[in-house]
Parts: sequence; C-alpha cells; structure tokens
Amino acid sequence: DAKTTQPPSMDCAEGRAANLPCNHSTISGNEYVYWYRQIHSQGPQYIIHGLKNNETNEMASLIITEDRKSSTLILPHATLRDTAVYYCIVRVADSPLGGSARQLTFGSGTQLTVLP
Amino acid sequence: NAGVTQTPKFQVLKTGQSMTLQCAQDMNHNSMYWYRQDPGMGLRLIYYSASEGTTDKGEVPNGYNVSRLNKREFSLRLESAAPSQTSVYFCASRAGHTRGNSPLHFGNGTRLTVT
Repeated sequence: DAKTTQPPSMDCAEGRAANLPCNHSTISGNEYVYWYRQIHSQGPQYIIHGLKNNETNEMASLIITEDRKSSTLILPHATLRDTAVYYCIVRVADSPLGGSARQLTFGSGTQLTVLP
Repeated sequence: NAGVTQTPKFQVLKTGQSMTLQCAQDMNHNSMYWYRQDPGMGLRLIYYSASEGTTDKGEVPNGYNVSRLNKREFSLRLESAAPSQTSVYFCASRAGHTRGNSPLHFGNGTRLTVT
C-alpha cells in the first residue's frame, strides 16, 4: 500500500470549511484513497473514499487531483464535534477471488482542532 | 445492528497473566482485524483474518495469538501479558473480497493496563 503524508495538526474556526490535505505520490492506479477519523477515546470512524473522481457524502467531500498524487478532505461547515484525528489511507481493493488478505495500516494522521 | 462489539471495555492485568479479548460483528463481514494504539500514535495492525478459517500476522504480532472462531467472532489472546502490551486494542471488520473497496468498521476499543 502507498505511503501517505499528512500534516500533524491543523486548526479551523467553527462554521468554516476545514480542508485536510494528504500526499500519496506513490499511489498506484488501482489504489483507493480512504479517510477515517478518530474522536478522542473512540474507535475510528469511516468518512469517505474514492478512486479518481471527486466524491461527496453527508459527512464530507473528497477532492483527488488529476494525477492522483494528493487529495483533500473537506468538511464544509466544521463544528466543535469535528475535532478529531483524521487519517488518510491508500490501498487496493481486494480481488473478487480474495487472494492475499489486505492489511490496512494507519499512520499518525492530522489532529484537527475546531476552535469556537 | 450493533456493528462491532468488543469486550471487555477495560482490563487490568498483572505481568504474566493471560486473557482473551473478544470481538464480534453482526454485519456478515468476511474480514476482521485487531489493532493496538499507544498514546499519541496511530493504529498498528496486530493480526487479521481475511475470511473465516484464515489468520495472518500484521506489523506487531509478537506476544499475541488470534482465533477466528466463526464468521462473526475474532478473538485476541495474550498468553503472558507484559507492561509493553499496555494499550488500547481495537477490533475492526469489513465486507472484504466480496466488496473489494469496502471500508473498515471499528469497535470502541478495550483499554488494557498491564502492571
């Protein structure tokens, strides 16, 4: 799985958009970009994922550059409850035949602090 | 649906004691994972099970064993606990190869202290 690089911390004002960057310059053509977050003391929570098109769901938007070497997670209107560590991961999808199991490794992520 | 359920939530062990951390999921997922998280660090994979009947080592398997009891349950055993195993342990599951890009679903963790 490709290595990712994220800033260790970011601040954002409540009500403003939070833009969290992730570099994955060695990403392969069949690797997806996933975002998770972990609110203090809880298990990580899935946010969104994509392959090459931009994606949006009820939680966030994911913008992937055309060369796929970086991406940005956007929380459109950050609230205090969005304060968490955000993890960016890239990995291949499993084959339909299963094959070798896919390990998912989390780095240190970005600590997002939403300020009142 | 409860999702991923871990028991116990908290545990204190003395060095050398053994225990088993339990994990169950009710989402009919194929793959299950055990991670540990030390203070201020990301998650490190201990063991995983791609499907019922298979298990494989992750990054940090030493000192642990696992059992994929059935499709729902994946347990983690510490045979002789050491202070270095003080950590928060998370179990996760995902649909796996039947849905190749399916995301992970995590439990809320077991906080283990070894004295």
